[in-house]
Amino acid sequence: QQQVKQSPQSLIVQKGGISIINCAYENTAFDYFPWYQQFPGKGPALLIAIRPDVSEKKEGRFTISFNKSAKQFSLHIMDSQPGDSATYFCAASNPGGSQGNLIFGKGTKLSVKP
Amino acid sequence: DAGITQSPRHKVTETGTPVTLRCHQTENHRYMYWYRQDPGHGLRLIHYSYGVKDTDKGEVSDGYSVSRSKTEDFLLTLESATSSQTSVYFCAISESGVGLAGRTDTQYFGPGTRLTVL
Repeated sequence: QQQVKQSPQSLIVQKGGISIINCAYENTAFDYFPWYQQFPGKGPALLIAIRPDVSEKKEGRFTISFNKSAKQFSLHIMDSQPGDSATYFCAASNPGGSQGNLIFGKGTKLSVKP
Repeated sequence: DAGITQSPRHKVTETGTPVTLRCHQTENHRYMYWYRQDPGHGLRLIHYSYGVKDTDKGEVSDGYSVSRSKTEDFLLTLESATSSQTSVYFCAISESGVGLAGRTDTQYFGPGTRLTVL
């Protein structure tokens, strides 16, 4: 019940295309859902985050779509660029749990082909 | 990397030896975390600290201990390293606990330490 399931494991997209990464969770107490981006040899960095009181959040080319009833959320990268090639992690946090308890998905390696 | 340094950045050691990894922050953030990252497992929380001398276990704490004697430093110790502890270790910090109701404080990650246990 504490898991966050992320798919796909890897994704290849052509430049200019839309990249879509999906995550699903079981614990309805989760109420904070960040996405992190990680380049090789670097630490993860927060990309965008959402709370379940909204169904969508957009920042530039990056959009989170949130479906509370289905317990799913997804990251959409519009007009994907080679510079977006990285590993993306979704995560979820339970405010009723341990302070600092971020549960991460296993990651999606995105490759954007020129 | 938000004022976070990790040392060493790379380390090779032998099974059974003690290893200490250091995380140092200049942001004066209250919370500090240690994660390990392994292929196919994503990031898993080892231990975290919510203040000086205040620590708690994460998902994969067995075989690890931590200490925080100053706000800026969080140490992760492998008392007797095993090959299963070969991993990339990340330190993270946040101003307050992640996901607190009504707050959206970010966890900022350090550059990581690649540890190989032979």
